[in-house]
Amino acid sequence: AQSVTQPDIHITVSEGASLELRCNYSYGATPYLFWYVQSPGQGLQLLLKYFSGDTLVQGIKGFEAEFKRSQSSFNLRKPSVHWSDAAEYFCAVGAGLSGGGADGLTFGKGTHLIIQP
Amino acid sequence: EAQVTQNPRYLITVTGKKLTVTCSQNMNHEYMSWYRQDPGLGLRQIYYSMNVEVTDKGDVPEGYKVSRKEKRNFPLILESPSPNQTSLYFCASSFGTPRLGYEQYFGPGTRLTVT
Repeated sequence: AQSVTQPDIHITVSEGASLELRCNYSYGATPYLFWYVQSPGQGLQLLLKYFSGDTLVQGIKGFEAEFKRSQSSFNLRKPSVHWSDAAEYFCAVGAGLSGGGADGLTFGKGTHLIIQP
Repeated sequence: EAQVTQNPRYLITVTGKKLTVTCSQNMNHEYMSWYRQDPGLGLRQIYYSMNVEVTDKGDVPEGYKVSRKEKRNFPLILESPSPNQTSLYFCASSFGTPRLGYEQYFGPGTRLTVT
């Protein structure tokens, strides 16, 4: 069965500093990987996704993620964070027979991002 | 507007009183899922459906039922709710292809409290 690990429960970053959120996955085949963001009291918004091709994926809001098969990782980065980036971030892998996420996703437990002024 | 809707958005109920949370999508997606979100646990899949009359258990199906009589609707049923089902629930539908992968479209969430 697939699994996702987000090693950092909380991360605090100063506004304007760079950010990297870690994600490690376990899956037997080529994974389909996603990053979602959830602002306080809000639903889930897709930041970016990786299915195949270029291992550096660009997303919305200035985020990017790099797929590293050798490390089973899909870390999320942003060069300069803004106070509005404070939120919960979830990494997810496509689940089920297809692996593509048709029948759902397996999520990590999330990383809570705090932005210091 | 393409969307996934859930009703109600907030619900407070008592132990043992049957309830249904509705989910509807207007995108003609074949796949739909239910998740629950709990602090420190992330989102966990409850049930999913691959098409009308085809459903299967996710990771945490105990205490829940689902049905898929129409393509657009995928209600979540709690026959006898208990306090440990207090949670934030998300419905999702997905679209894509096996080669390119699938993207989940999430509803706004339903916050359920069982006392």
